[in-house]
Amino acid sequence: DAGVIQSPRHEVTEMGQEVTLRCKPISGHDYLFWYRQTMMRGLELLIYFNNNVPIDDSGMPEDRFSAKMPNASFSTLKIQPSEPRDSAVYFCASIIGGANVLTFGAGSRLTVL
Amino acid sequence: GDSVTQMEGPVTLSEEAFLTINCTYTATGYPSLFWYVQYPGEGLQLLLKATKADDKGSNKGFEATYRKETTSFHLEKGSVQVSDSAVYFCALSHTGNQFYFGTGTSLTVIP
Repeated sequence: DAGVIQSPRHEVTEMGQEVTLRCKPISGHDYLFWYRQTMMRGLELLIYFNNNVPIDDSGMPEDRFSAKMPNASFSTLKIQPSEPRDSAVYFCASIIGGANVLTFGAGSRLTVL
Repeated sequence: GDSVTQMEGPVTLSEEAFLTINCTYTATGYPSLFWYVQYPGEGLQLLLKATKADDKGSNKGFEATYRKETTSFHLEKGSVQVSDSAVYFCALSHTGNQFYFGTGTSLTVIP
């Protein structure tokens, strides 16, 4: 299995631009998580899905952030408009419910100038 | 609510030194406990886990014992190597689909 695949690995954009981060979970995993990692706040859970349905989005910082999972093999995290304080590494992770082993992607490093 | 507290970093050790990274948790019932490791430029990977009290998880020379009485899951290694330099995260999960992570402890091992 190729693991959790994220793209792009690095993104540099200017303030106000739209950013879309993509994630392909491991086949058969029914939970998908989006995390954000910064030096100041550590690892934060933004949102998670079960069977493509958003279950808890209480960690999404504000309306500029949105996430979708149109099917079991693809999810997006969108920021519109982006701001410099959104600069962080965004991780996607997936799991089979109850399996106890969360598998992370390599992350997408976002820099907003 | 559930939470994990781990020791502040960064930690710097010489090669072959003994490592301890403290982790304590707050949770109802009997959660599963984990240590994840993040190497530079990579995502987090599972290092070891324990699913019930007194269990010892081990991997790559690292060990941690699930101590219900002290609500702790301290990570230890008898002799660290330069290649162990990474950030280590303690975590817990009740249901296997919600995870609570600590803030991470950065370890640097110098030759």
